[in-house]
Amino acid sequence: GQNIDQPTEMTATEGAIVQINCTYQTSGFNGLFWYQQHAGEAPTFLSYNVLDGLEEKGRFSSFLSRSKGYSYLLLKELQMKDSASYLCAFADSNYQLIWGAGTKLIIKP
Amino acid sequence: ETGVTQTPRHLVMGMTNKKSLKCEQHLGHNAMYWYKQSAKKPLELMFVYSLEERVENNSVPSRFSPECPNSSHLFLHLHTLQPEDSALYLCASSQEFGTGGSEQYFGPGTRLTVT
Repeated sequence: GQNIDQPTEMTATEGAIVQINCTYQTSGFNGLFWYQQHAGEAPTFLSYNVLDGLEEKGRFSSFLSRSKGYSYLLLKELQMKDSASYLCAFADSNYQLIWGAGTKLIIKP
Repeated sequence: ETGVTQTPRHLVMGMTNKKSLKCEQHLGHNAMYWYKQSAKKPLELMFVYSLEERVENNSVPSRFSPECPNSSHLFLHLHTLQPEDSALYLCASSQEFGTGGSEQYFGPGTRLTVT
């Protein structure tokens, strides 16, 4: 079967670093996506990993280990505007996205 | 207009009503999607269209009926809905369907309440 799991909620402090983990199980895999969704808004694309390793994009980095079925999103120098839900999703063998329920990140001053 | 637009943004309907949700993408993409997002649940893919042809129908009840008249427009026709259908309905588009890294661009969604 297929499943994907990420923490429901995390809290971090402004200026700090936070890592949001995502684990998945699937027989067919065509890459893993991270999206950001502010309350009441549409999800917006953050990153895509299809090979193992770390992809860095400004304050955000995403890591993938295909053998472990594991990814994380790393957010550095946290800002209040980073308060949002972070959704991970993998593309299955049919290229359909299977989504996690999202991690609500709360940033405190 | 840029990106992906959806109308209406909010909709309240009775169980016996018929209504339609509209989505338009201005990105020149070839694939469009309907998703359902309920509170604290994962996004559920409902329908996928690629080059105006339906690709996937993930066991969606027949009270939801999609229509894709051209590659820029997507509709979701609703009839005899149930209260559990209340949710945020998101439309998305991507350059292609069936390629690994094709990121999806989402519209702002329609918040549907069924009374």
